[in-house]
Amino acid sequence: AQSVAQPEDQVNVAEGNPLTVKCTYSVSGNPYLFWYVQYPNRGLQFLLKYITGDNLVKGSYGFEAEFNKSQTSFHLKKPSALVSDSALYFCAVRDMTTDSWGKFQFGAGTQVVVTP
Amino acid sequence: AAGVIQSPRHLIKEKRETATLKCYPIPRHDTVYWYQQGPGQDPQFLISFYEKMQSDKGSIPDRFSAQQFSDYHSELNMSSLELGDSALYFCASSLQSGQSYNEQFFGPGTRLTVL
Repeated sequence: AQSVAQPEDQVNVAEGNPLTVKCTYSVSGNPYLFWYVQYPNRGLQFLLKYITGDNLVKGSYGFEAEFNKSQTSFHLKKPSALVSDSALYFCAVRDMTTDSWGKFQFGAGTQVVVTP
Repeated sequence: AAGVIQSPRHLIKEKRETATLKCYPIPRHDTVYWYQQGPGQDPQFLISFYEKMQSDKGSIPDRFSAQQFSDYHSELNMSSLELGDSALYFCASSLQSGQSYNEQFFGPGTRLTVL
C-alpha cells in the first residue's frame, strides 16, 4: 500500500526564518508525491509535485521540496517564512497501483504557525 | 481560470435525512474524486469516476452513492445521515488520459453538519 507520513502535528517558526515541513513516503514502484496547502474553511491548493527528474522541485508561493530516495523523504521547504504561510499542509502520494486510478493518500497534515 | 465548483457550500441536515452534494469539474477533466475530511483529520478517499464510470472505491459507506453524468458533473447522494457524517466533503478533478501523474484540483468543499 502507498502511504505518506508527516511526523509533526505542528511546526512553529518566526517570520523570516526557514520553514521545513517533513514528509516520508512508502510506495511500491515510482513515487508520485504532492504537497497541498489548506487554509481555514478552504479547499486544498496544489503547491508542487515530484514525478521524476531533478530532486529539487520548485512550486508555488516560493515553496520547494527535496526528493530524497535513500531516505524516502519529500520535505517541503521555504527559505523565508511569511505570516501568511500559516496554514495546514498535506503531503500526498498518488496511488498508481493496478486498479487504483490515481486516488490520493494524504498524510495527517502539519499545522504551520508563523509568528511575526 | 475555471476551477472545481461544489454546491452547496454549507448544508445542515437532521439525522436520518438525505443529502445530495454536487461537483462540477474543471472543463475537459475526465476524472472526479470525492474525499471526506472529518474535523482535524486528513481527507479520506471515498470514490472516483473516470469517463462517467466508477473507477475506484474507498471508504464510502453503503448509505452513500455517487454517479457522474454525461456533462461530467458528479453527485454524491447520502442517505440515513448520521452524526458522524458531519464533515467537509471535497470533490477533485483531474485529467487522467495520457498523463497519469497529473495533480488533482480540489473544489472549496461542502461542509455538511448533521444535527
